[in-house]
Amino acid sequence: GAGVSQSPRYKVAKRGQDVALRCDPISGHVSLFWYQQALGQGPEFLTYFQNEAQLDKSGLPSDRFFAERPEGSVSTLKIQRTQQEDSAVYLCASSSGPGDGYTFGSGTRLTVV
Amino acid sequence: AQKITQTQPGMFVQEKEAVTLDCTYDTSDPSYGLFWYKQPSSGEMIFLIYQGSYDQQNATEGRYSLNFQKARKSANLVISASQLGDSAMYFCAMRETSGSARQLTFGSGTQLTVLP
Repeated sequence: GAGVSQSPRYKVAKRGQDVALRCDPISGHVSLFWYQQALGQGPEFLTYFQNEAQLDKSGLPSDRFFAERPEGSVSTLKIQRTQQEDSAVYLCASSSGPGDGYTFGSGTRLTVV
Repeated sequence: AQKITQTQPGMFVQEKEAVTLDCTYDTSDPSYGLFWYKQPSSGEMIFLIYQGSYDQQNATEGRYSLNFQKARKSANLVISASQLGDSAMYFCAMRETSGSARQLTFGSGTQLTVLP
């Protein structure tokens, strides 16, 4: 596609509910990143994929967070048993290679009530 | 330790004037890249400008220029001839390229408001 597409745009979850956030990167982009952005803050790195391989998951805040990219294109970020502190905007970015620029999606705003 | 520091939570500028947004960084990696992104209220991160650590000249892109002072570890963004549409959150970010990490590290941002 023309840009990075994220869905849903907004998600309200009850505390304890599981959620799945989708990222559709630019076609052919090898690298894919997930970031978490709390209100009024800069994005914080969560995890990085190169094709289908998850090369870095050091930013995932707990084992409730899980990401996958099984066919090296679309990625899903799953959060189990959501907590209020998980409320944030989740941004996805893709890149054609490790040394290239990043294109960000518009994000998914998650609100846990 | 903070890798990217943006000390101006908010800035105001009059339309058509120039404004400088500050960014300092901390790294021991000799090879790195510095980025500026704009984030309007819609939420999308829009790439503005890039400066590599080995680039000899300061980067420029239209009305945006990057004042890169390597010895001071600063990478300030200069926006010339501000427009009302420039009102947004601005983030400075760094990518260290010598190691295996490929992600960007962001600062806390500066909210720019352009006044008519």
